[in-house]
Amino acid sequence: QKEVEQDPGPLSVPEGAIVSLNCTYSNSAFQYFMWYRQYSRKGPELLMYTYSSGNKEDGRFTAQVDKSSKYISLFIRDSQPSDSATYLCARGGGSEKLVFGKGTKLTVNP
Amino acid sequence: EPEVTQTPSHQVTQMGQEVILRCVPISNHLYFYWYRQILGQKVEFLVSFYNNEISEKSEIFDDQFSVERPDGSNFTLKIRSTKLEDSAMYFCASSDVAASGGPDTQYFGPGTRLTVL
Repeated sequence: QKEVEQDPGPLSVPEGAIVSLNCTYSNSAFQYFMWYRQYSRKGPELLMYTYSSGNKEDGRFTAQVDKSSKYISLFIRDSQPSDSATYLCARGGGSEKLVFGKGTKLTVNP
Repeated sequence: EPEVTQTPSHQVTQMGQEVILRCVPISNHLYFYWYRQILGQKVEFLVSFYNNEISEKSEIFDDQFSVERPDGSNFTLKIRSTKLEDSAMYFCASSDVAASGGPDTQYFGPGTRLTVL
């Protein structure tokens, strides 16, 4: 069973839309979940992380973990063309390795 | 803002040749990592390095691969006898011990695109 699964999309939305990006994970022992953003031909850049339950908000971004269903979500409010990128969910914690989902390619159209 | 740098940005090599990919992690970081991303696939962990030794490695990281921190600033990935399937983006990352709670943030470099012909 794969550790982190993510729908690769692609996802295309108009500017100003609310975007919902989702992943599932397999192991209840995972503690931290990350969302990375990757622009074309660049390395992944950490957006935010959440602990194994609850929500975390940072500006237009909200990360959510539903432990009962093993579901990870990232919501983007008032999406902008500059949000166009590939979004990677990952599990990890401390200094251990990150295990990534496949990434969802998002395009926000002006 | 400090950043992880990698050289070269693109490396083309013939099958069977050896390549060395270079990384300069963020200067006060203690943990170093290599990941790779084959075109269209996931970013995959290769190896982590701490205190001058490998702390964890994946199944991919076999005897063909080695890592080294030859001085206080560089971190290298050597691939011996390259194969066609080694063609990928290779990302270096580094992290520090988190100040309080939370995971240690891994900062990624821009990557080296390796093409094996």
